[in-house]
Amino acid sequence: SQQGEEDPQALSIQEGENATMNCSYKTSINNLQWYRQNSGRGLVHLILIRSNEREKHSGRLRVTLDTSKKSSSLLITASRAADTASYFCATDAPNAGGTSYGKLTFGQGTILTVHP
Amino acid sequence: GAGVSQSPRYKVAKRGQDVALRCDPISGHVSLFWYQQALGQGPEFLTYFQNEAQLDKSGLPSDRFFAERPEGSVSTLKIQRTQQEDSAVYLCASSSWETGRWAFGSGTRLTVV
Repeated sequence: SQQGEEDPQALSIQEGENATMNCSYKTSINNLQWYRQNSGRGLVHLILIRSNEREKHSGRLRVTLDTSKKSSSLLITASRAADTASYFCATDAPNAGGTSYGKLTFGQGTILTVHP
Repeated sequence: GAGVSQSPRYKVAKRGQDVALRCDPISGHVSLFWYQQALGQGPEFLTYFQNEAQLDKSGLPSDRFFAERPEGSVSTLKIQRTQQEDSAVYLCASSSWETGRWAFGSGTRLTVV
């Protein structure tokens, strides 16, 4: 079953604009991760934010996490045509014993298209 | 190798045929995961190995699905008597305890006709 929901399902923007994608999840988490997937390819890890963090940056990426609302957002600034891909959030949740071995639960993804 | 390697890249199987999908994780990675990704969906967890031990197989959709990792490195996902609903991309991921990062392979796209 899917843990989270992402919106929008699809986003189409012009090169140079910013892209924001949102993810909501249902249970408590250890961390939340964002991945990119180009058509027909594997998943590329973008960024990981832990449950005790509220914001994280990596290059043109900015991720926020609001555990009270069980939501996260991914902002890509100054987008490029090469950013065209599907983006997924994934949560790593603690098991009944409070630990985790890294099992990820993914959202359904946002398809981002950046027009040159 | 430098990354997680999966083979074959594409597999077309006739309904009822058995298939075997291979995953070569990053050398030294203790943890190995298999995920199933249907068209237009996010990946869904199938099973998890810690070295050669299969510690979680709760995501395997039926007893037609079987996974093994006998020597704690290469893993094989086997699907018996394939059905059309098995058509999906099967992704393998590995991670090390030191980094806590997951590396995904490019996947095997299985089409059952």
